[in-house]
Amino acid sequence: LAKTTQPISMDSYEGQEVNITCSHNNIATNDYITWYQQFPSQGPRFIIQGYKTKVTNEVASLFIPADRKSSTLSLPRVSLSDTAVYYCLVGDRGRDDKIIFGKGTRLHILP
Amino acid sequence: ETGVTQTPRHLVMGMTNKKSLKCEQHLGHNAMYWYKQSAKKPLELMFVYNFKEQTENNSVPSRFSPECPNSSHLFLHLHTLQPEDSALYLCASSQDSQPPTDTQYFGPGTRLTVL
Repeated sequence: LAKTTQPISMDSYEGQEVNITCSHNNIATNDYITWYQQFPSQGPRFIIQGYKTKVTNEVASLFIPADRKSSTLSLPRVSLSDTAVYYCLVGDRGRDDKIIFGKGTRLHILP
Repeated sequence: ETGVTQTPRHLVMGMTNKKSLKCEQHLGHNAMYWYKQSAKKPLELMFVYNFKEQTENNSVPSRFSPECPNSSHLFLHLHTLQPEDSALYLCASSQDSQPPTDTQYFGPGTRLTVL
């Protein structure tokens, strides 16, 4: 499983756009990039997954540059309820990789 | 609601007790997982089951004993636990056992306290 590096924590304000970047320098050709969100005392929840360029759903956008060595999760107009830990995972369906959730990024939204 | 339920939601037990955690998924998935999350630590994968067969055991102490009678149900039997085993225990399922490209759906967790 490709190692990922994310900021430990971030603060932002309600109504702002928040971008969380994940570095994955040793991403392999077949690896996908997946983001999860976890609220306190709950299980993680899938947010978005992508392979290259840009993916958008009703919750977030995922930007992946051409070299795929990093990715950015973009949360538009955050609210207090977006305060959570966000995890970036990189891996390939076909490889026998262990599943590793890192420490994630603790996002704190302020009023 | 993710389609994955866990019971009980909270459990307090002594070190000599025997208890079981239950997980059920209503998604028709083939793979199920147990994770442990201690305070301010990353999620630790404990066990993986695919089509009822255990495919991964991440060096978990034998005081944790998983059981998967069918693809929809997963148990974690607990005995002679230690206080450091207190944590949030999360169950998850996915279509197959090839995450991270296979989306995992997590249950709400069981908050376990060992006295």
